[in-house]
Amino acid sequence: GAVVSQHPSWVICKSGTSVKIECRSLDFQATTMFWYRQFPKQSLMLMATSNEGSKATYEQGVEKDKFLINHASLTLSTLTVTSAHPEDSSFYICSARVKGTPTYEQYFGPGTRLTVT
Amino acid sequence: GEDVEQSLFLSVREGDSSVINCTYTDSSSTYLYWYKQEPGAGLQLLTYIFSNMDMKQDQRLTVLLNKKDKHLSLRIADTQTGDSAIYFCAESDTGFQKLVFGTGTRLLVSP
Repeated sequence: GAVVSQHPSWVICKSGTSVKIECRSLDFQATTMFWYRQFPKQSLMLMATSNEGSKATYEQGVEKDKFLINHASLTLSTLTVTSAHPEDSSFYICSARVKGTPTYEQYFGPGTRLTVT
Repeated sequence: GEDVEQSLFLSVREGDSSVINCTYTDSSSTYLYWYKQEPGAGLQLLTYIFSNMDMKQDQRLTVLLNKKDKHLSLRIADTQTGDSAIYFCAESDTGFQKLVFGTGTRLLVSP
């Protein structure tokens, strides 16, 4: 149980285009989903927190107009990188909290590697 | 702000015990976690401990918490080559609003 999937697992796009990454909780409903960014050989940095049906809360320094988050349902959140640039190349990981269980547990997706050329 | 630090690298031989250390600065940390990340993959929750506990054991894993020194450790008994990965400690406060991750320790287990 508590499986989180991400799609796509990797994507290459041209500079200036937009890319959408999906995060799904497969066998549970998620009260909250989180989006992290991980640079090579570095730790995870929280980008934003999203609750179903409400606007995402972005961490300081994260451009909300560049990284659009939509949490449409209790099982799906999307991150759209708009007008991507090479510096946006990174490993993006989502996680989700299971609705109805202790809130200190988060389950992580396998990540999406984005390369912007 | 919160800060979580780990040593970058640990190398052990198969069958030995591994001890990965972590220090944190946020005194309001309520939950502390250990996650495992294999190459190109997401994070797997290994175990967690409440701040009012000193120790937690789960099969080959033992977590020790020294709240006074804000020091957390993960001991892996009988380390196997499949344990080779990056291990992250993380902390969250009572509000569970977000996880703050450490820098990660790369564990290499040689045969």
